[in-house]
This record gives sequence, C-alpha cells and structure tokens, in this order.
Amino acid sequence: KNQVEQSPQSLIILEGKNCTLQCNYTVSPFSNLRWYKQDTGRGPVSLTIMTFSENTKSNGRYTATLDADTKQSSLHITASQLSDSASYICVVSLGNNRLAFGKGNQVVVIP
Amino acid sequence: NAGVTQTPKFRILKIGQSMTLQCTQDMNHNYMYWYRQDPGMGLKLIYYSVGAGITDKGEVPNGYNVSRSTTEDFPLRLELAAPSQTSVYFCASSYEAGSSYNSPLHFGNGTRLTVT
Repeated sequence: KNQVEQSPQSLIILEGKNCTLQCNYTVSPFSNLRWYKQDTGRGPVSLTIMTFSENTKSNGRYTATLDADTKQSSLHITASQLSDSASYICVVSLGNNRLAFGKGNQVVVIP
Repeated sequence: NAGVTQTPKFRILKIGQSMTLQCTQDMNHNYMYWYRQDPGMGLKLIYYSVGAGITDKGEVPNGYNVSRSTTEDFPLRLELAAPSQTSVYFCASSYEAGSSYNSPLHFGNGTRLTVT
C-alpha cells in the first residue's frame, strides 16, 4: 500500500527558531516528492520538488532534503516567522498522474 | 491573475439535497482535479480530467459526478448529499500531469461543505 507518513503531527515553535518536519514514504514506484504549504482557509501551494537524484532543495528559508534509499524526506524551516504558521504537506508522485498525500505537519509559530 | 477560482466558499446542505461546486481556471491548464480534505486526513482524489471532454474517476468517486465541457471549467456535482460528504473540497489544475516534475498542482481556496 502506498503510504506517506508525516511527523510530528503538530508543533509549536517560538518566532526566530528553526524546526524540522519529517516525511517517510512507502511508495512504489517513486517519481518525485514535493512539499506544499497550506495556510489556514487556503489551498496548498508548492514549496519544493525533488526527484531521486536530488538530495537537497532550497526555497528561501525552506530547505528540503531527500534520502531515496531510506525513503525519507525532511523540510527545515530556518528563522521561523509568524507567516510560517501553516500545515506542510508531503506529496509523493508515483508517476502516471498518481499522487500520495501525507496528512500534513501543523506548525504554529508564536511571538 | 486569478488562478483557480472556486465557488461557493461555504455551503450547508440538507441530507438528500443536490448541489454543484464550481471551479474555473485561467491558466489554460489541461489537467484539472477535485480533491476532498477531511480533518486530520490527507487529500483524496475524487475525479480528474486530462482535457476538455475527458474525465476519469479517482480514489473516492462515489456520490459525485463531473463534466469538462471547456478547458477552463470543471464543476463537481453532488447528488443526494449525505453526512459522509461533509468535507472541504479543493479544485486544482496543472499544466502537465500533476505527478510530473515541472508541473505542480495549483489549488483553489476550497469549498467548505456541511451536510446535516
């Protein structure tokens, strides 16, 4: 069964601190992995995309890593801001228009 | 630059009623999708379309219907609403297949539907 597991389910961090979100997947075949950010009451927005040959990808203060051997990805948020409060969704592509979605990591940044 | 527009934003239905969720995109994307997002769960694909006149079922199509008469519009029809259809519905579009490297999904802001 194709699964995408994210941890922690939720976390609270102080503004200015860093945090790391985890995504483990048991998906086959694997095409690529994308992280989306979903603000409350909005649709998800793509942050990063990686395929098996890429192990790091940055987008501003967001850095994603991928270990295709262990089937793990992480999303690191540096110097968090209040606007980083959101759900972060890990999405794995199986190719052929098929996607497996994680449940999301809910991040709350407090001043 | 509107992107993907969904209407309405909120709706309350009684059991057995029907309604259509509207979705339109102005990016000339061929691929369009309907997802539902239940609390604490990942997005589930209801239906998708690879172009005007072509639709196909996703993981959870029961109780829903779609049509794609134009590139821009992809309405989702609920017939005989049931409490199990209470959810947030997202429409999305992409230039190529949403699973491809260079083609992220572009989502609307969702329709929150409650069936009581």
